[in-house]
Amino acid sequence: QKEVEQNSGPLSVPEGAIASLNCTYSDRGSQSFFWYRQYSGKSPELIMSIYSNGDKEDGRFTAQLNKASQYVSLLIRDSQPSDSATYLCAVNVGSNYQLIWGAGTKLIIKP
Amino acid sequence: KAGVTQTPRYLIKTRGQQVTLSCSPISGHRSVSWYQQTPGQGLQFLFEYFSETQRNKGNFPGRFSGRQFSNSRSEMNVSTLELGDSALYLCASSLAGGRNEQFFGPGTRLTVL
Repeated sequence: QKEVEQNSGPLSVPEGAIASLNCTYSDRGSQSFFWYRQYSGKSPELIMSIYSNGDKEDGRFTAQLNKASQYVSLLIRDSQPSDSATYLCAVNVGSNYQLIWGAGTKLIIKP
Repeated sequence: KAGVTQTPRYLIKTRGQQVTLSCSPISGHRSVSWYQQTPGQGLQFLFEYFSETQRNKGNFPGRFSGRQFSNSRSEMNVSTLELGDSALYLCASSLAGGRNEQFFGPGTRLTVL
């Protein structure tokens, strides 16, 4: 059973601090990794995709991938109250590249 | 470029009825995936269609079915509705499936009474 695991949280971070979200996966053959943000009652919104080991930065967001340790993380710098949401990690598995989703981490940014 | 659209946005049905939901992907996208999301739950994968063929399927009963048309638009059908089918149904499109980024529509909120 291919799995993607995330800490469900909630993760509480003060405004202006760095929020760190983690995701581990079981399929060593996975090649594509995605972070989505979902506000309550809304659909998921793509934040970052990462395909190679290392860091990928986009504005205040940095995705980090370590295939040897089978984890991918998302850092949010200068956290804002508007970053409060559930963050979903998704990983592709198998020959048909099915996307497997973590259960999400609820992030709360305290003003 | 227009995003993913889903119709209808809200539906209220009674147990035993059937329902059809529609999804129009982003222009040029050939893969459409469907998900069910219930309160407090993660995304539950229903199925994925690519070029009119079901390529992947989740662990849902046969009451849940779907199809994709030649223009990549997709429909999903739920027959013999149960109370537990009340959920947000999300459609996501991508260029070619799992290795590509998926973009979600606004969802259809289904309530079964």
